[in-house]
Amino acid sequence: EVQLVESGGGLVQPGGSLKLACTTSGFTFSGSAIHWVRQAAGRGPEWVGRIKNKPNNYATAYAASVKGRFAVSRDDSENTAYLQMNSLRSEDTAVYYCTRRLETSGAFVDYWGQGTLVTVSS
Amino acid sequence: DIVMTQSPLSLPVIPGEPASISCTSSQSLLHRNGYTCLAWYLQKPGQSPQLLISLVSNRASGVPDRFSGSGSGTDFTLKISRVEAEDVGVYYCMQDLQVPLTFGGGTKVEIK
Repeated sequence: EVQLVESGGGLVQPGGSLKLACTTSGFTFSGSAIHWVRQAAGRGPEWVGRIKNKPNNYATAYAASVKGRFAVSRDDSENTAYLQMNSLRSEDTAVYYCTRRLETSGAFVDYWGQGTLVTVSS
Repeated sequence: DIVMTQSPLSLPVIPGEPASISCTSSQSLLHRNGYTCLAWYLQKPGQSPQLLISLVSNRASGVPDRFSGSGSGTDFTLKISRVEAEDVGVYYCMQDLQVPLTFGGGTKVEIK
């Protein structure tokens, strides 16, 4: 069974940092890209960033709203991806999901984790 | 960025009746590999989004056949042939032709 489990969310002050983890199982992690998506309360999902796999040089990409503040990484030996969030702002408050996208032709985002809540507030 | 536009915003439905949601993209979602990169997700209350349809018309595993997707290029439709109570929630279309991945604004389906 494919599973993605986010952890590391919580309350942080503006300007602070937080590192989220996405622990996975049930599939070949090294064959997948991991995308992070967030959703503020009452709003639609917003793509945050992604990291591809080793054959694709672990290429990363970010939404304009987080570029320069957030960084995605992965540890294939641990089947885990990370989202390092720095210089957090109140508008970063949201549930953060990690999602899987296979690195094959015709791939698509299929599985989502249950999400972890990040609250940026003083 | 590719802009995804969904309609309607809200869709009250009677159980057993059909329902239809439209999604339009600001540019063609046809990839050079021949696939069209449009998916539909349903977010039930209190849950994370779940995949319903990938690549315009491919139902995900376990998705009932009352759900169907169609379209091409920039215009897409999700249809529910006979709505059931368990289908309530917010439906999103999403393009993953290119980053940033972008979502439609969502359609809230509720039972009349």
